[in-house]
Amino acid sequence: RKEVEQDPGPFNVPEGATVAFNCTYSNSASQSFFWYRQDCRKEPKLLMSVYSSGNEDGRFTAQLNRASQYISLLIRDSKLSDSATYLCVVFTSGTYKYIFGTGTRLKVLA
Amino acid sequence: EAGVAQSPRYKIIEKRQSVAFWCNPISGHATLYWYQQILGQGPKLLIQFQNNGVVDDSQLPKDRFSAERLKGVDSTLKIQPAKLEDSAVYLCASSPRGDNGYTFGSGTRLTVV
Repeated sequence: RKEVEQDPGPFNVPEGATVAFNCTYSNSASQSFFWYRQDCRKEPKLLMSVYSSGNEDGRFTAQLNRASQYISLLIRDSKLSDSATYLCVVFTSGTYKYIFGTGTRLKVLA
Repeated sequence: EAGVAQSPRYKIIEKRQSVAFWCNPISGHATLYWYQQILGQGPKLLIQFQNNGVVDDSQLPKDRFSAERLKGVDSTLKIQPAKLEDSAVYLCASSPRGDNGYTFGSGTRLTVV
């Protein structure tokens, strides 16, 4: 089983739609979680951290479920500019090791 | 704040040749990472430095890849000899310490022909 797993997609959604991605992780000792966004031919950029209580940044909401070992990203009112690959990242302390998922590709259609 | 600098941006070499990539992390960042990202996949950690010491190089193909971080600042990643399957983007990232996420450089796109 991979340490971090994501559905690669693509998720094709119309503008204005709400879309959600999940990411599962296998190491129960993982401590910190992030969503990164990667545009085509660009480097990944931090989108948001994921906190235990859940957190929201504008149209983006991140949730953590430790019991089931998954994190989620919800995007409301999708924009064309949201089209990108969304990478789930899990951090395990002790090793300061960040593990990336393979990414979920989102295409928002006009 | 200046970002993570990487060079070159692109490199095309023939198989069996050697190549080196350079990374200058954000000033003061203790941890430096090299990742390999093959098209359609997520980044895969090759090596992680804490200051100038190696924390994790378990996924570095040591028969052909080497990396160093002199004086705990800049780092170089070398491939010798290159294989076709080494074609990928090589990303360098740095973080200050701990679990606050990190910043990537723009990467070096390597094509081995």
